[in-house]
Amino acid sequence: GENVEQHPSTLSVQEGDSAVIKCTYSDSASNYFPWYKQELGKGPQLIIDIRSNVGEKKDQRIAVTLNKTAKHFSLHITETQPEDSAVYFCAAHFNYQLIWGAGTKLIIKP
Amino acid sequence: DGGITQSPKYLFRKEGQNVTLSCEQNLNHDAMYWYRQDPGQGLRLIYYSQIVNDFQKGDIAEGYSVSREKKESFPLTVTSAQKNPTAFYLCASSIDQVETQYFGPGTRLLVL
Repeated sequence: GENVEQHPSTLSVQEGDSAVIKCTYSDSASNYFPWYKQELGKGPQLIIDIRSNVGEKKDQRIAVTLNKTAKHFSLHITETQPEDSAVYFCAAHFNYQLIWGAGTKLIIKP
Repeated sequence: DGGITQSPKYLFRKEGQNVTLSCEQNLNHDAMYWYRQDPGQGLRLIYYSQIVNDFQKGDIAEGYSVSREKKESFPLTVTSAQKNPTAFYLCASSIDQVETQYFGPGTRLLVL
């Protein structure tokens, strides 16, 4: 079945710098890759997603890239702000389910 | 105001007791899901339902039960057979099983 690995588990960046979180997946049949942000004590919130027919997607300071050949996708956050501090999860859609990464705790240092 | 609601926000269970977590959505979504999240961990699928009166086990269904009698509602019962129920429980829904999942605010279950 599908497996999703996410790195790093913790990422600390200076406010204003960029942050990159990477995920790899194992099954080439996966065709949909969402990213979620989870703040402490709350449910995950979709922040951006990408489908397998697209290589890159951008929404203001957030972008996602997909490399189907290498089976990895990445989240890029530019000009990080204190409100970006949260746990970020990647996921891959496979066999009518979302397979989740383990999460990355993003810390924005003032 | 459309969305997914979960209640209660906190729930306390005594040993040997069954408890039921509520999940309601007014998004007209066909598919609904229950996940369990342990501290510092990712999401693990308990049960999912593609349509009314139909549901399937996820990766960690033992000790849990669900029903889907209405499109809007997907309650989760944590039975006494679940020996380690303390966790954050998240409900989600999507238009169908190939589309984006949207999450409720979660219920934190604690054991007395």
